[in-house]
Amino acid sequence: DGGITQSPKYLFRKEGQNVTLSCEQNLNHDAMYWYRQDPGQGLRLIYYSQIVNDFQKGDIAEGYSVSREKKESFPLTVTSAQKNPTAFYLCASSPRVSFGTEAFFGQGTRLTVV
Amino acid sequence: AQTVTQSQPEMSVQEAETVTLSCTYDTSESDYYLFWYKQPPSRQMILVIRQEAYKQQNATENRFSVNFQKAAKSFSLKISDSQLGDAAMYFCAYRSDKYIFGTGTRLKVLA
Repeated sequence: DGGITQSPKYLFRKEGQNVTLSCEQNLNHDAMYWYRQDPGQGLRLIYYSQIVNDFQKGDIAEGYSVSREKKESFPLTVTSAQKNPTAFYLCASSPRVSFGTEAFFGQGTRLTVV
Repeated sequence: AQTVTQSQPEMSVQEAETVTLSCTYDTSESDYYLFWYKQPPSRQMILVIRQEAYKQQNATENRFSVNFQKAAKSFSLKISDSQLGDAAMYFCAYRSDKYIFGTGTRLKVLA
């Protein structure tokens, strides 16, 4: 089955620790995205990547980092510099060439700082 | 910069009735795509319908249809014959080189 897999589903972090959220897709999509979802604020873009070894900051990139070493993988690291990391994180992918295609989403990771 | 606005945080509809969710956007581009996504309690994002800006005809998918007014930059979603399973968060989205989402509308369906 083709799709996007995010892991883990739930993640707990102690204050001051970095954590990495995994996102893997087997859809052969060029573009991948990370969104943060908080109540009442919709989906806010953290980082996105249109092609391997290249990525751009979204609207709320501070305190986060990403890498895109492989086409199928786009991990997100939440660093200790992120002041309020507790949120629901969604990863998505889409073909780059055709603007008409929708984004496909993973099932999300719920991150809680304890 | 492009923006997407959903002005209705919550809406309610009686089962079997029709409801319309509003969405406006701002862009200087002439060629773009718009989407409505549904997020049920499982939090999985599901595509409901898409609209290509250069097409005059409004998109339709079964009980879901849109009213696309390009000049007014409006993209509303109409759900006909509402069902209990339609209860969810609904997000409007705009695509250029990335996807920009509105803040969402929570739809409640009353039995």
